[in-house]
Amino acid sequence: GAVVSQHPSRVICKSGTSVKIECRSLDFQATTMFWYRQFPKQSLMLMATSNEGSKATYEQGVEKDKFLINHASLTLSTLTVTSAHPEDSSFYICSAREVVLYNEQFFGPGTRLTVL
Amino acid sequence: DAKTTQPPSMDCAEGRAANLPCNHSTISGNEYVYWYRQIHSQGPQYIIHGLKNNETNEMASLIITEDRKSSTLILPHATLRDTAVYYCIVWNNFNKFYFGSGTKLNVKP
Repeated sequence: GAVVSQHPSRVICKSGTSVKIECRSLDFQATTMFWYRQFPKQSLMLMATSNEGSKATYEQGVEKDKFLINHASLTLSTLTVTSAHPEDSSFYICSAREVVLYNEQFFGPGTRLTVL
Repeated sequence: DAKTTQPPSMDCAEGRAANLPCNHSTISGNEYVYWYRQIHSQGPQYIIHGLKNNETNEMASLIITEDRKSSTLILPHATLRDTAVYYCIVWNNFNKFYFGSGTKLNVKP
């Protein structure tokens, strides 16, 4: 199957700093990527849909100014958590839609963010 | 929002078949049924998907009822490594991909 990578896999930062997470589709082009957040013992919650070449669309209740998404190419989407606070500590997962060969979503391995 | 309901947890003995049910009574005609699983602290892993026919691959079988309002994922010979949260999702390749609460499968020796 196709592969989606995320970088970094784990990040610890101080409160008030910004953190950028990269999501790459390694062997296919993805016009649409999704960003999720997962708190302990909970399901994945969709945060936003990242569309190549256009603005991301955010789910209700997700602050677009806090979670900046850029999808500048067909293989890369980035999520920047601005002015991070301890309540932003979570597991962030991206996925990319591949509908030509596999007709499925491929997920990255996730990024564990800890804000001190 | 998620359009599926699953039991929160199930137990299965190692080596036995695990049958995980999912209800999706409001599924649309162009929506597929997808199954993913998530092992602790990892990204979700694709298992299988189908539209209306039963499907089988090297990992599992998917049985979809004739009215498509429910489905069952079957792991024929569960191992300890199959312990995970299993998610049933309906998706038409264009809309958003929402997760429900999933089923925590505990495979016991």
